[in-house]
Amino acid sequence: GIQVEQSPPDLILQEGANSTLRCNFSDSVNNLQWFHQNPWGQLINLFYIPSGTKQNGRLSATTVATERYSLLYISSSQTTDSGVYFCAVAEAGGFKTIFGAGTRLFVKA
Amino acid sequence: EPEVTQTPSHQVTQMGQEVILRCVPISNHLYFYWYRQILGQKVEFLVSFYNNEISEKSEIFDDQFSVERPDGSNFTLKIRSTKLEDSAMYFCASGENEQFFGPGTRLTVL
Repeated sequence: GIQVEQSPPDLILQEGANSTLRCNFSDSVNNLQWFHQNPWGQLINLFYIPSGTKQNGRLSATTVATERYSLLYISSSQTTDSGVYFCAVAEAGGFKTIFGAGTRLFVKA
Repeated sequence: EPEVTQTPSHQVTQMGQEVILRCVPISNHLYFYWYRQILGQKVEFLVSFYNNEISEKSEIFDDQFSVERPDGSNFTLKIRSTKLEDSAMYFCASGENEQFFGPGTRLTVL
């Protein structure tokens, strides 16, 4: 089955800093989503981005499907950005969605 | 804004008992999913459901598990004869391409 790898596994930032999170996947995908799991465990949709680039406020994401990776950019980080960021993909032609192991982000005030 | 809801938020049960976790997907969605997340680990796919039947399931989703859409709004996950290792957060999601997740049910098996 498809493999999803996220890096870095852990990240500590000073408030105001920028960061880039990476998601590599091993095969062609139908769907790719980025989620933020907050400290209460909720999975918050950030981007649905099987290809191309999207921006939403301080966050943006780019997926290069032909090279099998996606990047999530966080600019001017805030303490409320802390949590775990997951990339999730579904194989082409299938419904099974595979999550990466996540990047655990802590933003210090 | 429409959202996926799940009940209960927390369920405690004794080993060997049956539990039913309930979900109300977003009303115009046709694709439904269950996932689980053991504490501190990644989110794992259990099953997808479309047109009143399972469309895909993972190796985790064995005979202990079943899903049902008993009416036009609810989507349930039944776990028979629960084991200690079934303790986890269970998430329901809906959506064809972009999936939207409910807040989860934390299941504790004692």
